[in-house]
Amino acid sequence: AQKVTQAQTEISVVEKEDVTLDCVYETRDTTYYLFWYKQPPSGELVFLIRRNSFDEQNEISGRYSWNFQKSTSSFNFTITASQVVDSAVYFCALSGSGNTGKLIFGQGTTLQVKP
Amino acid sequence: DAGVIQSPRHEVTEMGQEVTLRCKPISGHDYLFWYRQTMMRGLELLIYFNNNVPIDDSGMPEDRFSAKMPNASFSTLKIQPSEPRDSAVYFCASSPTRQLSSYEQYFGPGTRLTVT
Repeated sequence: AQKVTQAQTEISVVEKEDVTLDCVYETRDTTYYLFWYKQPPSGELVFLIRRNSFDEQNEISGRYSWNFQKSTSSFNFTITASQVVDSAVYFCALSGSGNTGKLIFGQGTTLQVKP
Repeated sequence: DAGVIQSPRHEVTEMGQEVTLRCKPISGHDYLFWYRQTMMRGLELLIYFNNNVPIDDSGMPEDRFSAKMPNASFSTLKIQPSEPRDSAVYFCASSPTRQLSSYEQYFGPGTRLTVT
């Protein structure tokens, strides 16, 4: 079975703090993809990053960085120097078995960045 | 380029009424997905299409739900009759033809459905 767990339901930080959102996944596939999506208060889902199972290099994009570790089945997301505009619900997702296009989403982590 | 377009953005209806949600995917995308988001169950895939053909509808909750994709630029999700427990945000997403199982999906703004 495939599963994504985001254990942190809500996180509250003060602006300029660093924050890490955890994501743990379960899959028996050897080839899979992991994703992070952002859902701001306006409601739409915004794609942030895709990572395949064969690429464990960490990635940095501006204030965002991702740490993928197959050994612990984790794909954590760090926001450096958080800003109020980062306040949103963040979802981690895992591609389904085979080439089906199914995304298995975690329950999401609500991040509140206070000024 | 226009993103995924959904209409209406908000829908309020009474129990028992028929509801039709609409989606226009991004031009050139071969895959279309319908999701439902609720507080209790999170984001759930209801059904998805490839080249207008339904591939997997195992997430459709019951026979009251149906989805069609008559052409590459239009899809509908219909609920008949609607019930209060159908209240949720319904998202449509599309994705281009894959290379090596790249599953990036582009989501529409969602339709917030309230059934009273």
